[in-house]
This record gives sequence, structure tokens and C-alpha cells, in this order.
Amino acid sequence: TQLLEQSPQFLSIQEGENLTVYCNSSSVFSSLQWYRQEPGEGPVLLVTVVTGGEVKKLKRLTFQFGDARKDSSLHITAAQPGDTGLYLCAGGKGNTPLVFGKGTRLSVIA
Amino acid sequence: GAVVSQHPSRVICKSGTSVKIECRSLDFQATTMFWYRQFPKQSLMLMATSNEGSKATYEQGVEKDKFLINHASLTLSTLTVTSAHPEDSSFYICSATVDSGETQYFGPGTRLLVL
Repeated sequence: TQLLEQSPQFLSIQEGENLTVYCNSSSVFSSLQWYRQEPGEGPVLLVTVVTGGEVKKLKRLTFQFGDARKDSSLHITAAQPGDTGLYLCAGGKGNTPLVFGKGTRLSVIA
Repeated sequence: GAVVSQHPSRVICKSGTSVKIECRSLDFQATTMFWYRQFPKQSLMLMATSNEGSKATYEQGVEKDKFLINHASLTLSTLTVTSAHPEDSSFYICSATVDSGETQYFGPGTRLLVL
């Protein structure tokens, strides 16, 4: 069974703080996606990374794919209340369904 | 681009009735669509993979006769919850891939409440 371990599970921080969410596996993935989900809505794609060592930036969010394509991280700088939500990482391997982590529930307090 | 819609967004039904949920890819053709179920404060649980023109592939533990999936066109997949019971109450989300890629685009979800 392929597993994606996501940590931390819960995170509550003050507005303006920085944070990092980790996604780790013993399996190699050909791609890794990060999604953000708000209550009562479907997950929204933030980024897809496909190359080992790749770094992508989306405003205050920085995504990194590990060199061995087994792990990834999401770093948020100067978190805002609008960043609150469930962050999900998901690993892809060709024609098989995505493997999802259990999610990180982030709460940013003003 | 890559917009996926779901209908209805929420539905309340009586126990024993059947409920159909539609998933549409609005601006692309989706060879493959996926159906997930999500319990409160949990991650997504894959129910089945739906390929256009062929039978869906169900995950272990998901009853194919209870959760009927039809993927009749490249832009529409439906999930029918047959003889619904209160324990079927959940948030159902579909997703689709573009050009058989690995990135999935999700619909907004359907909240089902069975009384």
C-alpha cells in the first residue's frame, strides 16, 4: 500500500507567522499535487510538481518536490486568515488513482 | 480552464430512496473521472474510478450495486446511491483528469443527507 504521511495534522497559528507542511512517502511518485479545501467545498488545486528538486512559488506559498520524488513541502510565509483550510497533498503514478495524504488542517488567527 | 461541476450541491432524501449525483467537465473532455466520499474533518476516500464507455472500477469495500456509476460521455459521469440509508449521508466529490494526466480537478461536492 502506498502511503503519503502528511504532517502536522493540525496547525493553529497567529496571523503573520510562517509555517511548513510536510508530505512524506517511501514510494516514488511521478507527480505531486497540493490542494486546499474549505468547508463544504471541493479541493482546489494549488500546484503540481513533477521534477525532483523542483520549487514552485505561488505568491506567499512555496512548494518543493524532493530530489528523490518521495517527499514534498509547502511553506507559507506571513500567513493570513484567508489561508485557513484543509491542505491535502496527493501523489500521482501514471494511470493509477492519486494517493492522498490525510491532510493538514490550518487555522490562522487574526 | 479545467472546471468541474456537480449537481445537486446538496440533497435531502428519505431512507430507501435513490439519489443521482451528476459530475460534468465543463471545458474539457474527461476520459477518467473519480468519485470520492469525505467524512467530516477527514481526507478523501476514493470510491471508484470511472472511465468513459466502460465499467467503473470500485475500491475495496465499496458496493458496486449500491453506488451505481455511469460514465456515458466524455463530459458526464453520474453516481446513483440506491436505497439510501442514513449511514450513506456524507459529502460526495467527483474529480476529472485532463488528457489522462495525473492532476485531478475537483467538483464542488454534493452534501447528501438521508433521513
